[in-house]
Amino acid sequence: DAGVIQSPRHEVTEMGQEVTLRCKPISGHDYLFWYRQTMMRGLELLIYFNNNVPIDDSGMPEDRFSAKMPNASFSTLKIQPSEPRDSAVYFCASSFDSGGGYGYTFGSGTRLTVV
Amino acid sequence: SQQGEEDPQALSIQEGENATMNCSYKTSINNLQWYRQNSGRGLVHLILIRSNEREKHSGRLRVTLDTSKKSSSLLITASRAADTASYFCATDTGAQKLVFGQGTRLTINP
Repeated sequence: DAGVIQSPRHEVTEMGQEVTLRCKPISGHDYLFWYRQTMMRGLELLIYFNNNVPIDDSGMPEDRFSAKMPNASFSTLKIQPSEPRDSAVYFCASSFDSGGGYGYTFGSGTRLTVV
Repeated sequence: SQQGEEDPQALSIQEGENATMNCSYKTSINNLQWYRQNSGRGLVHLILIRSNEREKHSGRLRVTLDTSKKSSSLLITASRAADTASYFCATDTGAQKLVFGQGTRLTINP
């Protein structure tokens, strides 16, 4: 397996534009997590899915953020409209269980810069 | 406040020395995990220790867990330049998600 695959690796966009981040989890992993990492706030869990169903989205900062998982092999995180404070590295991770009894596998992240 | 807090925030040692990082947490846990993050990369799972375990080894890594003190330590022996990275502890409290600490930045000087 190639691991968790995220795209794009880097995204630079102007304030107000829509941004879509993509993730392909490891086949067979039932859980998918979206995290955001900044120097100030560290690693924050935004939302996670179990079997394609959103379970906990309490970390999603506001209505400008939305996430979907249309099937077991694909998820998106969308920001519309984007703002400079959304600049961060966004990680997708997947796992066999939510408590990480097998550990989480992270993608390489998408570095988002909103100017 | 964070469930898991690492100490120190930054650590710089000479190659060949041992590096010790600590993690404290607030609530009871099912397991505690350590992850490494190289610059510009995602986190990589290193080792997991369950609440009923006190010590675990994996290669040059040694993890201890003291549930009475709600703390864990990660020891990297005979450090190498390639060990330069940030190290995070993560706790499973049964809330169906891992909570990550702020990390320790480890620098190994040649």
